[in-house]
Amino acid sequence: NAGVTQTPKFQVLKTGQSMTLQCAQDMNHNSMYWYRQDPGMGLRLIYYSASEGTTDKGEVPNGYNVSRLNKREFSLRLESAAPSQTSVYFCASSVLEGGNTQYFGPGTRLTVL
Amino acid sequence: AQSVTQLDSHVSVSEGTPVLLRCNYSSSYSPSLFWYVQHPNKGLQLLLKYTSAATLVKGINGFEAEFKKSETSFHLTKPSAHMSDAAEYFCVVSGADSNYQLIWGAGTKLIIKP
Repeated sequence: NAGVTQTPKFQVLKTGQSMTLQCAQDMNHNSMYWYRQDPGMGLRLIYYSASEGTTDKGEVPNGYNVSRLNKREFSLRLESAAPSQTSVYFCASSVLEGGNTQYFGPGTRLTVL
Repeated sequence: AQSVTQLDSHVSVSEGTPVLLRCNYSSSYSPSLFWYVQHPNKGLQLLLKYTSAATLVKGINGFEAEFKKSETSFHLTKPSAHMSDAAEYFCVVSGADSNYQLIWGAGTKLIIKP
């Protein structure tokens, strides 16, 4: 099993450009998440999807959109990138039973110039 | 509302000495609590979790944590530090009032001196 995979691993954008970060999991988990990690701030939740067909805003959703394409895939889109969106982005998946243990992908390091 | 406070942003210990990373939490419900580890430029790995069973939880790589409800703490310990333990450690809480969302501490960077 690959677990949670993310593409790309690195990306550099210019202000105003758009891009989509891809995430897939092969653990048959219902719930999936997108986080951003900034220095000294831990992880902050952008959006989550409790189950296929549903998405909800997290702590910092502004400037992002998501799509739960199917049970395996959950994408994050930046429509018009801004320097404030320079960050490392992590995708995660989980099952709620047993305390919502989340399993993480390797991350995407995004720089917006 | 739930919150997590990691009391030290950096902890430095010598190889072979004990490790203590401190975490306090606030929750209206009986929480689930986690410790995750992140090695430099790597993803996040689950170290251990507490979900209302035994209060002393054993994790991977010799780490363990004790849930103390009276002190609202969930400190992470290891008897003897190894160079490979150098990483950032995150304390995380999940509770019934926000089942899908985990609340993350700011992290503690563990430095191991040779």
